[in-house]
This record gives sequence, C-alpha cells and structure tokens, in this order.
Amino acid sequence: NAGVMQNPRHLVRRRGQEARLRCSPMKGHSHVYWYRQLPEEGLKFMVYLQKENIIDESGMPKERFSAEFPKEGPSILRIQQVVRGDSAAYFCASSPQGVNTEAFFGQGTRLTVV
Amino acid sequence: DQQVKQNSPSLSVQEGRISILNCDYTNSMFDYFLWYKKYPAEGPTFLISISSIKDKNEDGRFTVFLNKSAKHLSLHIVPSQPGDSAVYFCAALNDYKLSFGAGTTVTVRA
Repeated sequence: NAGVMQNPRHLVRRRGQEARLRCSPMKGHSHVYWYRQLPEEGLKFMVYLQKENIIDESGMPKERFSAEFPKEGPSILRIQQVVRGDSAAYFCASSPQGVNTEAFFGQGTRLTVV
Repeated sequence: DQQVKQNSPSLSVQEGRISILNCDYTNSMFDYFLWYKKYPAEGPTFLISISSIKDKNEDGRFTVFLNKSAKHLSLHIVPSQPGDSAVYFCAALNDYKLSFGAGTTVTVRA
C-alpha cells in the first residue's frame, strides 16, 4: 500500500514559467491538503480538496496559484508565472476523512525558481 | 499570524537522556494536537497526538503533555536514541486545518 506520492521531487523553473506539482493520495483517501514550507518556517496550510471540489483555499495566494483534484488522476497544484518567492517545499497530505486527525504526508516537491 | 510557536529552534541531548520539546499556542479553538517528525528531504511523519480533553498521552518512548490553561504542550522522548535526530514539528488542528510551529531540530549525541 503505497503512501502519498508526490512528483517531481525537485523542480527548477525560471521566473515567469509555470510549475505543476502532482500528488497521488494514499489508496482509499479522498481528502487532499497542500502545505508550503518556506525556509526556516513551519508548514503553512494552502488548500483542502476533495474529489472534484475545492473545500477551502484560504491559504492560497489569490493570484497565480490554483489547485484541482479531478475525479480521475492526481491532485495538481499549479503555479503560473513563478517568482523567486515561490521557491519552497510543497507538501501534499491525504486522509480518509475530512477530520484531519492523522494526515499522511508525501515527501514533498522542492521548487526552486531561478 | 503564528498561532503555534516552538521557541527553541534546536536541542542537543545525550543518548539515553530525556529530550523535552515545548510548544505554545494561542488559538483556544484548537482541539487536537499532533507532533510530527521530519528527516531532511522527506515529508513529516506522524508521531503522537493528544485530544484537548486529555492531559497526557503515551506511546512507547514518546509522551505528550497538554496544559490547556497555559496553552502549552510538550513532547518527552525517553530514552533518546541516535535515530531520534530530526526536526520535530508541533501542530494544532482546528477542524481540518493543521497549524504548524517552526520546528525544533533535535540532535542526539552518542
């Protein structure tokens, strides 16, 4: 039973390009959460999704960032026109139910914007 | 707006001794608290949790204490082992959102 899978593990983008981060939740989990960790900081909540629904995106920047969790396939976090400040580790977590008592985290995608 | 604070960025402890990690929070709506352990280049791994209706939870070498009136929790690891060297994050849950502290890096010396 594979854990939460994120890819790519490392992603380098030039300023202005688009970044796409993928997350496949654990089998049987239909709730996905994205967190961002800036250097020397803890993880910050970005968005909570269920299949085909965005439940809470209050932690997402209003511009350039979007997330989806389609009926089929992984959850995608998309960052358009990346800037240096987007460089961070992005973690995805999943849980079998909405009360996130023990979310399981993926290994993260480290995005570097050059 | 840092609702969960870990004021000690690092902790060094000798193997076999106790490690005590502290965490403070400000939001009284938090009803569940968790500790995660994180190795470099890996995701956080759940370690232990405690509900706000309890003041102590124990799992093997790990014990978490909660003082609701002080809005303070702590994680005790005893005895500390070299494999415990990692970053430990305190997290608090409100509904489905986890709020994390900045982490404490624990180094266990042989």
